[in-house]
Amino acid sequence: GAVVSQHPSRVICKSGTSVKIECRSLDFQATTMFWYRQFPKQSLMLMATSNEGSKATYEQGVEKDKFLINHASLTLSTLTVTSAHPEDSSFYICSARLAPTDTQYFGPGTRLTVL
Amino acid sequence: GESVGLHLPTLSVQEGDNSIINCAYSNSASDYFIWYKQESGKGPQFIIDIRSNMDKRQGQRVTVLLNKTVKHLSLQIAATQPGDSAVYFCAEKRSGGYNKLIFGAGTRLAVHP
Repeated sequence: GAVVSQHPSRVICKSGTSVKIECRSLDFQATTMFWYRQFPKQSLMLMATSNEGSKATYEQGVEKDKFLINHASLTLSTLTVTSAHPEDSSFYICSARLAPTDTQYFGPGTRLTVL
Repeated sequence: GESVGLHLPTLSVQEGDNSIINCAYSNSASDYFIWYKQESGKGPQFIIDIRSNMDKRQGQRVTVLLNKTVKHLSLQIAATQPGDSAVYFCAEKRSGGYNKLIFGAGTRLAVHP
């Protein structure tokens, strides 16, 4: 149980285009999901907290207009990287909180490469 | 500033030995801690968790110890196997807010035959 999926697993796009990444909780409902970013050989950095039915909460330094988050249902959150640039290339990972516990279960990650 | 950090960036062990991965945290208000395992190119995988009202919790081949006096967390892996090779992260949940986790820097565990 507690399986989280992400799609796509890998995406390559041209600079200036937008990319949407989906995060789904497959066997549980998640009112709260989280989006992280991870650069090579570094730890996970929280970008934002996604709340079903309300606006996302962004961490300091994360541009909300560039990283659009939509949590439209209890099993789906999406992250859209708008006007992507090479510096946005990274490993993006989502997690979903299994309420009422505090445990977060992670998706497999999405490797974004912006040319 | 407040952080969750690790003592050792890399740990090399022989197959069959026990491994101990350490983590220090600085926020005494944290009430929940998790250990994750991350293999290359994959998302973190939940290993074991512990609440601040406990000092030890055991799972299958793994044990987490929490010492609140010195703000120290450790993960013990018994009879380490090649499949245990990965990067291990400790994460800390601070009370309040949306239960967000703060991750440590990570320790790479390399298991040699």
